[in-house]
Amino acid sequence: RKEVEQDPGPFNVPEGATVAFNCTYSNSASQSFFWYRQDCRKEPKLLMSVYSSGNEDGRFTAQLNRASQYISLLIRDSKLSDSATYLCVVNMWGGKSTFGDGTTLTVKP
Amino acid sequence: DAGVIQSPRHEVTEMGQEVTLRCKPISGHNSLFWYRQTMMRGLELLIYFNNNVPIDDSGMPEDRFSAKMPNASFSTLKIQPSEPRDSAVYFCASSTDSYNSPLHFGNGTRLTVT
Repeated sequence: RKEVEQDPGPFNVPEGATVAFNCTYSNSASQSFFWYRQDCRKEPKLLMSVYSSGNEDGRFTAQLNRASQYISLLIRDSKLSDSATYLCVVNMWGGKSTFGDGTTLTVKP
Repeated sequence: DAGVIQSPRHEVTEMGQEVTLRCKPISGHNSLFWYRQTMMRGLELLIYFNNNVPIDDSGMPEDRFSAKMPNASFSTLKIQPSEPRDSAVYFCASSTDSYNSPLHFGNGTRLTVT
């Protein structure tokens, strides 16, 4: 079993749709959590950190459920520019960052 | 802020040759990470350093791979001898501390070994 698992998708949604991605992690000692976005042939870029109480940044909402060991990302009112691969990242004590394989989103007109 | 700087951006080499990838982390960041990304295996952590000291190199594929961080502003990843299966994008990333801060990635080096 992988340490961090994501549904690879692809998710194909129309503009304006709401889409949600989930990510599960296997190590209960995981300390911090992030969502990254990666565009084709580019480096991953931080989208948002994920806090225990949940957090929102504009159209993006991240949630953490430590009991069930999953995090989620909700995108409201999807834009064409949201098309990318979304990577779930889990950090451990001692510094190791483990990435999921990513979920591919395509937003269509 | 210049961000994480990697060089070269692209490298094409023949099997058996030595390849050296370079990385300059963001000033003030004390953790540095080397990742490799392929379609088949996704993003894999190869090695990471904290305060210039290698902490975990369990992801380094084999002895052909080595990494150094002689000072806080420079790191290298060397492959000797290179093989076609090493073809991938190699990313360097840095962060301010080792677990609670997000990583900042360089643009990557696209390596092709023929």
